[in-house]
Amino acid sequence: EAGVAQSPRYKIIEKRQSVAFWCNPISGHATLYWYQQILGQGPKLLIQFQNNGVVDDSQLPKDRFSAERLKGVDSTLKIQPAKLEDSAVYLCASSFSSGRIDEQFFGPGTRLTVL
Amino acid sequence: TQLLEQSPQFLSIQEGENLTVYCNSSSVFSSLQWYRQEPGEGPVLLVTVVTGGEVKKLKRLTFQFGDARKDSSLHITAAQPGDTGLYLCAGVDNYGQNFVFGPGTRLSVLP
Repeated sequence: EAGVAQSPRYKIIEKRQSVAFWCNPISGHATLYWYQQILGQGPKLLIQFQNNGVVDDSQLPKDRFSAERLKGVDSTLKIQPAKLEDSAVYLCASSFSSGRIDEQFFGPGTRLTVL
Repeated sequence: TQLLEQSPQFLSIQEGENLTVYCNSSSVFSSLQWYRQEPGEGPVLLVTVVTGGEVKKLKRLTFQFGDARKDSSLHITAAQPGDTGLYLCAGVDNYGQNFVFGPGTRLSVLP
């Protein structure tokens, strides 16, 4: 079974530029998550989708971050404009259902560096 | 303020030694999970504990959920270099509203 795919693996941009990350979850997984992991910290949930609807985006900085999950499969996370403090690893995860303790399967992440 | 605290932050031991890492909170959690994350990879679930006082064993790893469901521990017996990684605890608060990760314990097992 293929795992969660993410691209790109690495991205370097200058502040005020825009960037987008892509995630393809495990086939059949209804729930998709985006996390931000700053160096030395645990992942922080940014947004959770159930199929193509948003379940929780309470910690998403909506003035600069946006995410969508078209057709309930792939998802993109966008930052516009980027700030220095956005430098982090962005992790995508998926789970079969939306239960909070359901096993989440993580992708390898995209490491973003904002200069 | 971290909802989940983990200690120690860093731990470096020799192969064959035993170790315990801790996950603590001032809040009650309905469940806790432990994940291991290796460099350049996403976290991988090790275990989920849901009942206060619960003990689960996974080969050389023993997980315990505190009676009051505010803390958890992970004990590794006879650590091996393959155990090296970032150990993260994560949980759902008792209101079922927030799923949060702790900051992690970075373990290094030297051969």
